[in-house]
Amino acid sequence: QSALTQPRSVSGSPGQSVAISCTGTSSNVGGYNYVTWYQQHPGKAPQLIIYDVNRRPSGVSDRFSGSKSGNTASLTISGLQAEDEADYYCCSYAGSESFYLFGTGTKVTVL
Amino acid sequence: QITLKESGPTLVKPTQTLTLTCTFSGFSLGTSGVGVGWIRQPPGKSLEWLALIYWDDEIRYNPSLKSRLTITKDTSNNQVVLTMTNMDPVDTATYYCAHSSKFDYWGQGALVTVSS
Repeated sequence: QSALTQPRSVSGSPGQSVAISCTGTSSNVGGYNYVTWYQQHPGKAPQLIIYDVNRRPSGVSDRFSGSKSGNTASLTISGLQAEDEADYYCCSYAGSESFYLFGTGTKVTVL
Repeated sequence: QITLKESGPTLVKPTQTLTLTCTFSGFSLGTSGVGVGWIRQPPGKSLEWLALIYWDDEIRYNPSLKSRLTITKDTSNNQVVLTMTNMDPVDTATYYCAHSSKFDYWGQGALVTVSS
């Protein structure tokens, strides 16, 4: 299966909200409620920020929220802050054969 | 506190076999429901899931790389080992190990360069 599709980049001013889409198929995003999102700062390991479509791990800011509609999952960052400038990746369970698929990644720029 | 750390060679030659070790603490692969996975990231590119091993020895591989991958666990020493055969320059990447099927904790990553 091909990687999940994300926009290459999104940008916003401090305080604004931005949304990142993650488009797959009914065999992955649309078929399971197992979508995760990761934030990755340059030179660092990814960090889990959303799991099971819309759940936040302990310690993750409530400015991050997740949702899903059909074959597309979305990550919304509210009240954009300078520290949110990073790369973001979605990941979906894709069934017992393919197991896990990552997205193409989105660079978030805070203007 | 859960921590993971990858170790292995930084440089391998084409056609060689890569062996990476993930040493972890703060959890046990003998505990029901626990798993450890491997993910890689070529320079400037996205993430790619490679393999996952569970507490009960269930193993899953990325279908596109399955013929080249082997994942094993050493529960007593809190280690998971990934081997990848027939390495090619396109396999140059940072290799990460991560806890559980949610990948909620990650190691710092190990950059592996494939070059003659």
